[in-house]
Formats: sequence, structure tokens, C-alpha cells
Amino acid sequence: GQQVMQIPQYQHVQEGEDFTTYCNSSTTLSNIQWYKQRPGGHPVFLIQLVKSGEVKKQKRLTFQFGEAKKNSSLHITATQTTDVGTYFCAGRILSYGGSQGNLIFGKGTKLSVKP
Amino acid sequence: ETGVTQTPRHLVMGMTNKKSLKCEQHLGHNAMYWYKQSAKKPLELMFVYSLEERVENNSVPSRFSPECPNSSHLFLHLHTLQPEDSALYLCASSQEVWVSGANVLTFGAGSRLTVL
Repeated sequence: GQQVMQIPQYQHVQEGEDFTTYCNSSTTLSNIQWYKQRPGGHPVFLIQLVKSGEVKKQKRLTFQFGEAKKNSSLHITATQTTDVGTYFCAGRILSYGGSQGNLIFGKGTKLSVKP
Repeated sequence: ETGVTQTPRHLVMGMTNKKSLKCEQHLGHNAMYWYKQSAKKPLELMFVYSLEERVENNSVPSRFSPECPNSSHLFLHLHTLQPEDSALYLCASSQEVWVSGANVLTFGAGSRLTVL
């Protein structure tokens, strides 16, 4: 079936270091969404990217959508302990014949930050 | 408070029990979803409802039975579950299912299910 691959699965950083998680799809995506789930919490929507090559920023977070709309990345500059959690990407397949509403979630990248 | 309320937050049940999970959204959304999240697997979509009509059923075992009486309420009825069904069950809603930009998910806090 359709898959969205996300790497790395885990990332441990020292506070102040940068962090990046990557999402890759074998098929073209119509859009991609990013969610954050704090430990013990539920996923919370961060952002959606729609256009080829799109770059969006939220304070220390930078989101990119690849030119071919098959990959995306989330980069956090100078991590803080509040960034701890699991970051999920969710891609909507462009020409998915079944449910067009089905977002395909990556497995997530679990970020831990040492103070 | 996300606007999507799930009850109960924790549930322990035996394999022969029948129980239900409840979800209510106060966002005026038209679509509601059930997801399963376990330690080893990513978010697995179980069911999707659009305006009370089931539009997606991802090969979910029949021991899970959804019900959507109106666009604000969603239930997941559970019976004769297996220990491997122990997981966090997340309800979500979105404005629409198929409209790009309107299918952003708002999740509830989840119901942590343990099957003994």
C-alpha cells in the first residue's frame, strides 16, 4: 500500500542543537501536514504545505515541501526542552483512487532534548 | 481543551466485555475519524465518517463497530477484544474529508484501552 517514510525514528540532541526530520513518499503528494505529539498527549496540527518547493516558518521551526512534492522536512533551530515529543508527517496522496481523504501518516520521529 | 472530547480517558476490559468509546466535537466539523495508535505502529486510520455517512473502513475487525448518530458524535463499540487491541484510540475531526486545506485533523485526548 501507499506509504510515507519518515526518518530518523529517534533523535537525541543536546539543548541548543538543531534537529531535522525527513518525510519521503514514493508517489506525488497533493499536500503534507505536520503534527506534534507531546509525551502522554495527542497529535496537534502544526502546519500544512501545499505548493511545490514551499517553505514555511514558525519561529524556530522551518518546514519544506520538495519540488517534486514527494518529500518534506521539518527543521528546528536551537532546540529547547519544550520541543520534546514525536513529530509526524502526514501526506495526502495526489491520485489515490480510493479515499481521497485518507492522510497517510509517517511513523514519526521521537525527539528527546538533554538540558 | 481541543474541541474534541473523548470518554472515557482510560478503560480496562476483559476479552468478553462489551464497552463503548465516545467522542464529541464542538467545532462544527463535518468529518470524524477513529485512529488507533499502538507502541509499535504509526497512527492507523480505522474509520472515517462524513456527515454521518461512513466513507472509509480500513479492514478493521468486526469486533470494532463504529456509530455516528450525528455529525457531532462518534462512538466505537467494542466487543470480544483481544489483548493486542490494547492501544490509544484517538478520535479526530476535520472540516471536510476531501477538500485540501479543510482536512486538517483536530484530535481528542484519546482513550487508553487495556484488554486483559
